[in-house]
Amino acid sequence: DTAVSQTPKYLVTQMGNDKSIKCEQNLGHDTMYWYKQDSKKFLKIMFSYNNKELIINETVPNRFSPKSPDKAHLNLHINSLELGDSAVYFCASTQTKSLSLYEQYFGPGTRLTVT
Amino acid sequence: GQQLNQSPQSMFIQEGEDVSMNCTSSSIFNTWLWYKQDPGEGPVLLIALYKAGELTSNGRLTAQFGITRKDSFLNISASIPSDVGIYFCAGQPSGTYKYIFGTGTRLKVLA
Repeated sequence: DTAVSQTPKYLVTQMGNDKSIKCEQNLGHDTMYWYKQDSKKFLKIMFSYNNKELIINETVPNRFSPKSPDKAHLNLHINSLELGDSAVYFCASTQTKSLSLYEQYFGPGTRLTVT
Repeated sequence: GQQLNQSPQSMFIQEGEDVSMNCTSSSIFNTWLWYKQDPGEGPVLLIALYKAGELTSNGRLTAQFGITRKDSFLNISASIPSDVGIYFCAGQPSGTYKYIFGTGTRLKVLA
């Protein structure tokens, strides 16, 4: 069974469109993340949810709106797509305990190409 | 935003050689993670470290949580062609609920 899954794997769309990426984890973790990996392979955190509550929003344009319907799911909706949004988006999950984080596991990624 | 200094940026090594890479930060971290990423895939967790001074192995890989809590090291012994990839460190800054990532070490093995 896949621990962290994302759909779709590839997404090609035109500027100005709106698109969504879905993520699910079956690890029982309480915290989920969205990361963006650019062409130079830098991994940058975008958002984090803990038990369905947004706890991290790293100065991401408000065209990006995450939603967590429950602990196991985290979706990312992007409005008015721009060329600069082209990247690989990764979902990840971890378990928290007090002020510590434990192992973090990544999904396979969604390669977004905006033309 | 905060970023970890990871070195070397890339390296070519002969099959069978040992490899070392490290990450350093200006702030204290609670947890260190090491990942490997293959082309077209997500990062795969190799080793997790939770205590200063901790030394943990996973097969040919060994990682250490620096005693100052500001650095971590990864060693790969007797490298093989499938070790090729990008290795990332990630650290949890104290007082936060996130990991920040190093810039990656691109490992290329010459057969």
